[in-house]
Amino acid sequence: QSALTQPASVSGSPGQSITISCTGTSSDVDIYTFVSFVSWYQQPPGKAPKLLIYEVSNRPSRVSNRFSGSKSDDTASLTISGLQAEDEADYYCSSYITNSTPHWVFGGGTKLTVL
Amino acid sequence: QVKMVESGGGVVQPERSLRLSCAASGFTFRNYGMHWVRQAPGKGLEWVAVIWYDGSHQYYADSVKGRFTISRDNSMDTLYLQMNSLRVEDSAVYYCARGRAPRGDFDYWGQGTLVTVSS
Repeated sequence: QSALTQPASVSGSPGQSITISCTGTSSDVDIYTFVSFVSWYQQPPGKAPKLLIYEVSNRPSRVSNRFSGSKSDDTASLTISGLQAEDEADYYCSSYITNSTPHWVFGGGTKLTVL
Repeated sequence: QVKMVESGGGVVQPERSLRLSCAASGFTFRNYGMHWVRQAPGKGLEWVAVIWYDGSHQYYADSVKGRFTISRDNSMDTLYLQMNSLRVEDSAVYYCARGRAPRGDFDYWGQGTLVTVSS
């Protein structure tokens, strides 16, 4: 069981928007650290992950502005607007956490299907 | 451009050892912390280990602590993962990833190398 909880799957039609949530569910996850350091990754089938969003809502310049991140209380969210077929992939949230020593955790992943 | 290429994966028997390498280019390697992240077949991502930019600190996931050692050679722009006492559950694609900031995310990833532990 992952320390961060994501929905197993989401789907949407081309042009629509979808949102994927990520919640810290383990006692190991310090909420303050989680909501400050959460990042999001896209992993197309058979490929390596790619950073989409860092520190909740910051987007690297090489990433499309159709991807955005936000947070509300203890939940982080990734929104993809204007869905395209090429967005079909697995999406993971992650965060740096510190209980005894620094380490990092990932959510279980969300499979996005573009209908 | 930033590039990282892993090597050293393969098929190994349980309790044996294997060393992975990650050759980096396109950035100043000695300025960045580096991570190993793995993904078992059909499963999600699991963080494995981190090493500070200067090699002064290393931290591990509980699942590999005491068996795996992360190291780096800043003169060769190369990251390593020494894996001892391998278990079937260590079978995975192993990715090296650059740490964008000391407490932050993984901003660039290699293509991964597959490790299969099987008798």
